[in-house]
Amino acid sequence: AQSVSQHNHHVILSEAASLELGCNYSYGGTVNLFWYVQYPGQHLQLLLKYFSGDPLVKGIKGFEAEFIKSKFSFNLRKPSVQWSDTAEYFCAVNPGGYQKVTFGTGTKLQVIP
Amino acid sequence: EPEVTQTPSHQVTQMGQEVILRCVPISNHLYFYWYRQILGQKVEFLVSFYNNEISEKSEIFDDQFSVERPDGSNFTLKIRSTKLEDSAMYFCARELAGSSYEQYFGPGTRLTVT
Repeated sequence: AQSVSQHNHHVILSEAASLELGCNYSYGGTVNLFWYVQYPGQHLQLLLKYFSGDPLVKGIKGFEAEFIKSKFSFNLRKPSVQWSDTAEYFCAVNPGGYQKVTFGTGTKLQVIP
Repeated sequence: EPEVTQTPSHQVTQMGQEVILRCVPISNHLYFYWYRQILGQKVEFLVSFYNNEISEKSEIFDDQFSVERPDGSNFTLKIRSTKLEDSAMYFCARELAGSSYEQYFGPGTRLTVT
């Protein structure tokens, strides 16, 4: 069965710092990859997705992620975080041809003004 | 972004009682999903529903759970005899046909079993 690992459980950054959240998955075939964000008290929202093509994908609010197939990774990045980015971030994987999405354990990001 | 609404937003029930959680997609979709998130833990897949049938379910989705689309619009998750460990946020998600498994989540129902 596929699994998703997020190595950082809790990250604290100052505003304007750069962000990189790690995500690794275990599945050998074609995958669809997602990052979801959950702001405090709100529901899951799609941040960005990768299905095929350019491995560097850009999402909303200045976020981007890079798919590195050889490393089974899909790390999330943002050059300069803002206080409003404080949220929990979930990496998710959907093996091609299957509907189930498997989520990682999430990374809580706290941005200090 | 197309919306999904869920009712109720919060449900408190006693152990052993039946609960029904509802999901109402704004527009027609083919695929629906239920996920749950126990407090402090990751989001877990429960079941997917396609064309009025279960298409995939996880090991969590045992006999106490059932899903249906009784009136062709609402999509429900029923828990027959709730246990304390069923306390969690339950999220409904829907997927647009042809969107490559991009799922949009509802706001969730917080279920508290006492």
